[in-house]
Amino acid sequence: SQQGEEDPQALSIQEGENATMNCSYKTSINNLQWYRQNSGRGLVHLILIRSNEREKHSGRLRVTLDTSKKSSSLLITASRAADTASYFCAPLRYNTDKLIFGTGTRLQVFP
Amino acid sequence: EPEVTQTPSHQVTQMGQEVILRCVPISNHLYFYWYRQILGQKVEFLVSFYNNEISEKSEIFDDQFSVERPDGSNFTLKIRSTKLEDSAMYFCASSGDGSQETQYFGPGTRLLVL
Repeated sequence: SQQGEEDPQALSIQEGENATMNCSYKTSINNLQWYRQNSGRGLVHLILIRSNEREKHSGRLRVTLDTSKKSSSLLITASRAADTASYFCAPLRYNTDKLIFGTGTRLQVFP
Repeated sequence: EPEVTQTPSHQVTQMGQEVILRCVPISNHLYFYWYRQILGQKVEFLVSFYNNEISEKSEIFDDQFSVERPDGSNFTLKIRSTKLEDSAMYFCASSGDGSQETQYFGPGTRLLVL
C-alpha cells in the first residue's frame, strides 16, 4: 500500500537530545511529506522531500530518503518540550494527490 | 503567513441531520482536500477537488457526502444524513503549487453525532 509506517510507535527523550523517527513504505513515490500533530489539533506540514532528493534540512529538522530501501527518516536535533507531538510520514505516489497517513510516532520530550 | 481556516471548530448534531463544514483555503491555492480522523485512529483521505470537480475520492466518501466551492473563497463538505460513525475530526487542506505538492491543513472541525 502507499501508506507509510512509522517506527518507533512511541519515543521518549530528554530535552536537548536528538529524536529519530523512521518511515517505511511499499510503492514508488513522487515525494514524501512529514507532518506533526499536537494532541487533538491540526496537521502541521514539516518538510517535503522528492524522490530524486536524498537529504533535506529545515531548521532543526533533517530528513533523509532512500528510495531503494523505500524508507525515510526524520531527525529532530536538540529537541525541546514543545516538540512533543505525533509525527507522520505520508508518501505520495504519482498520479494521485491523496496522502495516506500511518499511525505515527508519538514523541514525548521531557524538560 | 497564510493559513487554512475552518468553521465551526466544534459541531454537535443529532443523527440524521445534515451538517455543512466550512473551509477557507489559502487564497491562491487551486487544489482542495478533505480528510477525517476518528478519535484514536489514523487520518483518512476523503476527497480531492480541483477546477470545480472531484479529482479523487475514497470509499468513505459515499452518496451521503458532497463537496462544493460555492464562491471564490469557501470550500464546503456536506454530510446529508449524519450517522454516529461520522463523529470525527474533519480536516480541510489546500495545495497551491500542483496536485502533488505540499498540502496545508486547517485546524479541523470536531463533529459529534448523537
